[in-house]
Amino acid sequence: NAGVTQTPKFRVLKTGQSMTLLCAQDMNHEYMYWYRQDPGMGLRLIHYSVGEGTTAKGEVPDGYNVSRLKKQNFLLGLESAAPSQTSVYFCASSPLAPSSYNEQFFGPGTRLTVL
Amino acid sequence: AQSVSQHNHHVILSEAASLELGCNYSYGGTVNLFWYVQYPGQHLQLLLKYFSGDPLVKGIKGFEAEFIKSKFSFNLRKPSVQWSDTAEYFCAVGGYNTDKLIFGTGTRLQVFP
Repeated sequence: NAGVTQTPKFRVLKTGQSMTLLCAQDMNHEYMYWYRQDPGMGLRLIHYSVGEGTTAKGEVPDGYNVSRLKKQNFLLGLESAAPSQTSVYFCASSPLAPSSYNEQFFGPGTRLTVL
Repeated sequence: AQSVSQHNHHVILSEAASLELGCNYSYGGTVNLFWYVQYPGQHLQLLLKYFSGDPLVKGIKGFEAEFIKSKFSFNLRKPSVQWSDTAEYFCAVGGYNTDKLIFGTGTRLQVFP
């Protein structure tokens, strides 16, 4: 079991470029989440999905789009990258919502720098 | 508004010292509470969680946390820290009927030999 994997691990973009971050999980989890981690701000939820074909906005969704076409994959897109999107991005998955006595399992993160 | 506060931003300890990291939350209704740890260069891992029952929860690596409902707190403790406990620690709260977690800003712990 690989758990939660993220691709790529590192990326440098120029302002205005686009990219897609891929999250994959092999645990058959229903819920998937994208967070960004910034110094002194903890983890902030960008978007999440409660099942294949569903997406919902989190705390900081602006500038990002997501898709969950397959249950095991959750993609995070940046259409026009900005320096403010320089961050470490974490994907997580959960078999059920946290309210149902299940933890979130995190991926290793993607470090993105936007110049 | 729902929120989680971790007032200790950076804690420096010597090995064998005792640790207590504060976590307070603001949330209406029944909550589920978590502590996650992020070792340098690694992803977040669950340390422990509380959903109901005994308010004193024991987790991995000798950590424990106590849920005090009247104080809206879920403080993390360890009687004797080790150098390998150097990491960032995050408290998180999830409402019973929600599908998201709210994370605190984290506490960076440095343990010196």
